[in-house]
Amino acid sequence: DQQVKQNSPSLSVQEGRISILNCDYTNSMFDYFLWYKKYPAEGPTFLISISSIKDKNEDGRFTVFLNKSAKHLSLHIVPSQPGDSAVYFCAASPQKKLVFGKGTKLTVNP
Amino acid sequence: GAGVSQSPSNKVTEKGKDVELRCDPISGHTALYWYRQSLGQGLEFLIYFQGNSAPDKSGLPSDRFSAERTGGSVSTLTIQRTQQEDSAVYLCASSLAHGSYNEQFFGPGTRLTVL
Repeated sequence: DQQVKQNSPSLSVQEGRISILNCDYTNSMFDYFLWYKKYPAEGPTFLISISSIKDKNEDGRFTVFLNKSAKHLSLHIVPSQPGDSAVYFCAASPQKKLVFGKGTKLTVNP
Repeated sequence: GAGVSQSPSNKVTEKGKDVELRCDPISGHTALYWYRQSLGQGLEFLIYFQGNSAPDKSGLPSDRFSAERTGGSVSTLTIQRTQQEDSAVYLCASSLAHGSYNEQFFGPGTRLTVL
């Protein structure tokens, strides 16, 4: 039973536009959420995180929004760049270990 | 190097053989994790080491899987009598263990193919 779901396996956007990646979770005990970015043949790299006591965290072009009542979070990338093309994983933290979604492959077209 | 390293980068083995995968965490990181990513799937937690505490083995899929962490640093994941469904990318991560929320730094992974 998947506790972290990324329902869109892929997303394609035009350079300069906004990319919105979505993630849903089922376990209300999750209290910390992270986004990781993964290029082919490399390990995932940390992008941005948010604690459950917040509803928004911003870091440059990346913003994560958390809606606890809906058990939903999203990652916004503005403006999108071709170098952002990668697989993005949403992860939730029940204490130490991370529970990952299946990922969304983002393609940013020049 | 400053990052997490894993070896080998690729491993092809025959069904029934044993394999060992190695992880060198970032120096000073007390927490070490193993995950695997099967084709089309997300990262699946396998095992977690924290300092001298007993490891959290709750994610190991069967008793064919085991892991050790020697001297609080290097870790080895062993898969005995490999099966085709063990084929996956095995990822190691490490983190500083302070509080409950720690960014995990991942290695490049070992791609295991069981023929």
